[in-house]
Amino acid sequence: AQSVAQPEDQVNVAEGNPLTVKCTYSVSGNPYLFWYVQYPNRGLQFLLKYITGDNLVKGSYGFEAEFNKSQTSFHLKKPSALVSDSALYFCAVRDMNSGNTPLVFGKGTRLSVIA
Amino acid sequence: DAEITQSPRHKITETGRQVTLACHQTWNHNNMFWYRQDLGHGLRLIHYSYGVHDTNKGEVSDGYSVSRSNTEDLPLTLESAASSQTSVYFCASSDTRGIENEQFFGPGTRLTVL
Repeated sequence: AQSVAQPEDQVNVAEGNPLTVKCTYSVSGNPYLFWYVQYPNRGLQFLLKYITGDNLVKGSYGFEAEFNKSQTSFHLKKPSALVSDSALYFCAVRDMNSGNTPLVFGKGTRLSVIA
Repeated sequence: DAEITQSPRHKITETGRQVTLACHQTWNHNNMFWYRQDLGHGLRLIHYSYGVHDTNKGEVSDGYSVSRSNTEDLPLTLESAASSQTSVYFCASSDTRGIENEQFFGPGTRLTVL
């Protein structure tokens, strides 16, 4: 079975400081990993994904994520947070061995960037 | 530009009524999905489809049904709406080619069952 955990419901960070939103996963094989962002009253927007290769993945709006196989983690990071980054962030996973199954999402982490 | 749309964006209904939420995508994607979003639960999969006439149950399918008669549309029907089905519903689609592909989401429908 595939699963994703986002251990923090809420992350607060000051504008200009680095931010990290945590995600850990569980799959039987190798994972495809995704990050999405949701702004108020909007649908989810794709940020970035890890398929294979370089463990550091760069995505939209200056975000990046680091895949760590030994820790089964895929944390989202940004070197300098903006107030406009305040949103709900979702991590998702698909097991490579599961075929074209739907993504499994975490419960989300609300990021608040304070000016 | 290709897109995925949902209608209505807001709906208020009464317990016991049948409700249908529409989802239409112009990506020409074979895969389509319905999720509900609730506080504390994140996104939960209701039903999904890999192509015309194909439907599959997700983790919270009880009380919901879907049908796929063409590539573009996957309507979600609540057979007899219950207050527990008050939620925000999201439709998504993805390309069949390559299981590494991301899902694209619609703007959501906020449903209130009184």
